[in-house]
Amino acid sequence: QKEVEQNSGPLSVPEGAIASLNCTYSDRGSQSFFWYRQYSGKSPELIMSIYSNGDKEDGRFTAQLNKASQYVSLLIRDSQPSDSATYLCAVTGSNYKLTFGKGTLLTVNP
Amino acid sequence: GAGVSQSPRYKVAKRGQDVALRCDPISGHVSLFWYQQALGQGPEFLTYFQNEAQLDKSGLPSDRFFAERPEGSVSTLKIQRTQQEDSAVYLCASSDRGANYGYTFGSGTRLTVV
Repeated sequence: QKEVEQNSGPLSVPEGAIASLNCTYSDRGSQSFFWYRQYSGKSPELIMSIYSNGDKEDGRFTAQLNKASQYVSLLIRDSQPSDSATYLCAVTGSNYKLTFGKGTLLTVNP
Repeated sequence: GAGVSQSPRYKVAKRGQDVALRCDPISGHVSLFWYQQALGQGPEFLTYFQNEAQLDKSGLPSDRFFAERPEGSVSTLKIQRTQQEDSAVYLCASSDRGANYGYTFGSGTRLTVV
């Protein structure tokens, strides 16, 4: 069974701190890796994608991928209360199906 | 429209009732996906269309679930004889390049079976 595992949290950080969200996956054939943000009552929104080992930065967000360890993470620098949401990790193996983790609830305290 | 549109936004069904959920993908998007998201869980794959062809329905939980996309655009997810365990948010997504580039979800339909 292909699985994506995330710590469900909640993860609570003070405003301005770095939030670190982690994800592991079981399928070594996974090719593409994504982070979605989901506000309460809303649909998931794609915020980061990463395809090769290393870091990818976009504004305050950095995605990190380590295929050998089957590990992907998301760092949020200078966390803001508006970053409070559930963060979903998702991976693809085939060319069409996304497998999601259960999500980590992040709360940024003012 | 600019995004994926789903209707209705909310649906309350009595147990045993049939329901139909509609998805209007982004214009020109070949690929269309349905996902089910239970409370506190991540979305789970239900089915995938490429144009009008349903290429994968392996995620449909039972034969009470049926999806179609007859003209390769609008899609309908039908659930027959709804049960309480069908209560969830049903998400539709479309893509013009396949999941390897991620895809855009609609706002979802929240189904509550009472």
